[in-house]
Amino acid sequence: DIVMTQSPDSLAVSLGERATINCKSSQSILYSSNNKNYLAWYQQRPGQPPKLLIFWASTRESGVPDRFSGSGSGTDFTLTISSLQAGDVAVYYCQQYYSTPYTFGQGTKLEIK
Amino acid sequence: QVQLVESGGGVVQPGRSLRLYCAASGFTFSDYAMHWVRQAPGKGLEWVAVISYVGNKKYYADSVKGRFTISRDNSKNTLHLQMNSLRAEDTAVYYCARDGEWIWDYWGQGTLVTVSS
Repeated sequence: DIVMTQSPDSLAVSLGERATINCKSSQSILYSSNNKNYLAWYQQRPGQPPKLLIFWASTRESGVPDRFSGSGSGTDFTLTISSLQAGDVAVYYCQQYYSTPYTFGQGTKLEIK
Repeated sequence: QVQLVESGGGVVQPGRSLRLYCAASGFTFSDYAMHWVRQAPGKGLEWVAVISYVGNKKYYADSVKGRFTISRDNSKNTLHLQMNSLRAEDTAVYYCARDGEWIWDYWGQGTLVTVSS
């Protein structure tokens, strides 16, 4: 199984500042035949289902503000929120869909400082 | 608009069975693979199972293999999860999610399953 490890487990950032969440996979999730990283990022607000933010490691889902961006390749990935807003308080998960069992990181709780 | 509505959750004793449903609307259900994902209280997300758009391919997490069965009825736009031999550790909110060629773009609100005597 591919293990997804996020860091940090929790993060407090001031409004308007940058938030960075890291995700590391236990093996490469870059598929060489199409050069795509099978990595997604989700936001989960309290009491809500997960919401897709980023897929293919760096493609923003329709309607997601451009302050959210994803980067990385192979085994190391990053979600960046360029200017934190109050509504961004949530738990963020990375997920690999390279192979079953599909696995998620443990989550990173983002709060306002 | 796309909607996924789960139902069938509740309180069940260990060892008993429960069947979950996910009613889909607002899109061509038979064009999409579908997943079940669960979340134990206060915990992270755990993928449970996936079924192909036709229904001929199914994959499961090891934690549920042999106990849970995913199925779908494309004529009724419904996804199912038959859960047998339930254990306390199966207690969770169960979400269904749409998979558009690897993009899990819509999730339901979830249904809570509590396994307790």
